[in-house]
Amino acid sequence: NAGVTQTPKFQVLKTGQSMTLQCAQDMNHEYMSWYRQDPGMGLRLIHYSVGAGITDQGEVPNGYNVSRSTTEDFPLRLLSAAPSQTSVYFCASSLLAGPTDTQYFGPGTRLTVL
Amino acid sequence: TQLLEQSPQFLSIQEGENLTVYCNSSSVFSSLQWYRQEPGEGPVLLVTVVTGGEVKKLKRLTFQFGDARKDSSLHITAAQPGDTGLYLCAGDGDNFNKFYFGSGTKLNVKP
Repeated sequence: NAGVTQTPKFQVLKTGQSMTLQCAQDMNHEYMSWYRQDPGMGLRLIHYSVGAGITDQGEVPNGYNVSRSTTEDFPLRLLSAAPSQTSVYFCASSLLAGPTDTQYFGPGTRLTVL
Repeated sequence: TQLLEQSPQFLSIQEGENLTVYCNSSSVFSSLQWYRQEPGEGPVLLVTVVTGGEVKKLKRLTFQFGDARKDSSLHITAAQPGDTGLYLCAGDGDNFNKFYFGSGTKLNVKP
């Protein structure tokens, strides 16, 4: 099993550009989520999905879109990048949502918006 | 607004020393999780505590969930350089689908 994979590992964008961060898992997990990590802020939930076709907003959803057409993939789209979106982005998955399920994190995508 | 406050923010100690990291909130959580994150990698789950007053041990690491389920602590005995990393706590609040992370404690254990 590859676990949770994320691409690209690094990305530099100019303000106003759009892009998609890819996330895939091969563990047949129902729950997937996206976080951003900024210095001194811990991880903040952007969007999450409890299964294919179902998505919902997290703590900081503005400026980001998601979709979940398959169980395996959960891409995160930046519609018009802004410098405030410079961050490290982590995708995570767990078998089910809930307090006792283990969340597995990908290695992250380091995004810089100029 | 941070639902979970972690302290201290930074900790630098010598190998062999003991330490305690705290995770506090004014909110009640049905569970709290502790993660360790190394530079350039994603967080890795260490433990989940679900019962008020629960104590869990993982080798030299001891985790405790407060009786009121609003706080937790992580105690490391005889720290080793391999314990170096960012320690994060996370709780699910009032929605099992949403997790809130603390800002983390950055631990450096010097040989």
